[in-house]
Amino acid sequence: GAGVSQTPSNKVTEKGKYVELRCDPISGHTALYWYRQSLGQGPEFLIYFQGTGAADDSGLPNDRFFAVRPEGSVSTLKIQRTERGDSAVYLCASSLTPLQGLKTYNEQFFGPGTRLTVL
Amino acid sequence: SQKIEQNSEALNIQEGKTATLTCNYTNYSPAYLQWYRQDPGRGPVFLLLIRENEKEKRKERLKVTFDTTLKQSLFHITASQPADSATYLCALVLYNNNDMRFGAGTRLTVKP
Repeated sequence: GAGVSQTPSNKVTEKGKYVELRCDPISGHTALYWYRQSLGQGPEFLIYFQGTGAADDSGLPNDRFFAVRPEGSVSTLKIQRTERGDSAVYLCASSLTPLQGLKTYNEQFFGPGTRLTVL
Repeated sequence: SQKIEQNSEALNIQEGKTATLTCNYTNYSPAYLQWYRQDPGRGPVFLLLIRENEKEKRKERLKVTFDTTLKQSLFHITASQPADSATYLCALVLYNNNDMRFGAGTRLTVKP
């Protein structure tokens, strides 16, 4: 596709439920990033994939959060036992290669986000 | 502690004037500093990048400065237009990291 797409655009769930958020990066982009953005705040890094592997998951807040990218393209962010504090917009971004790969800058392209509301 | 602070939550200016937004950081040593635009309901869109060894970058009506001694970046929009109304985010890219650290953003409103 022309840009990064995310589905669903909105997700409302109840406390304690499991949710999956999907990201389709730009074709050919090897690097994929997940961020979380709360109201009035900037995006907060969660996890970064290079190809199929999670190269940096230091931003995941706890073990209820998990992400996969099995074929090096589409990624799914999975949240177990959701809590009200998980409510936020979850943003996905992709770049051609890692951010500082080969000492050059590769722009990150963001998707529109998934707005998650936990009741 | 590490902080990224953008000057104010909201900035209102008159069309045609220059908007100046500030990004200050504490206890970071960024390799790059970037500015993004974010419209409601959308993801951030990259505008400009400036490296730690650069003082100034320009792109059309946009100008970014970077002072690593003051640990500050200024983002200017000259001849502002109502279409420039949006939230502007600064982001630091750190050495040897692949993530970006964002400020909270400044919501700019340009009144006709």
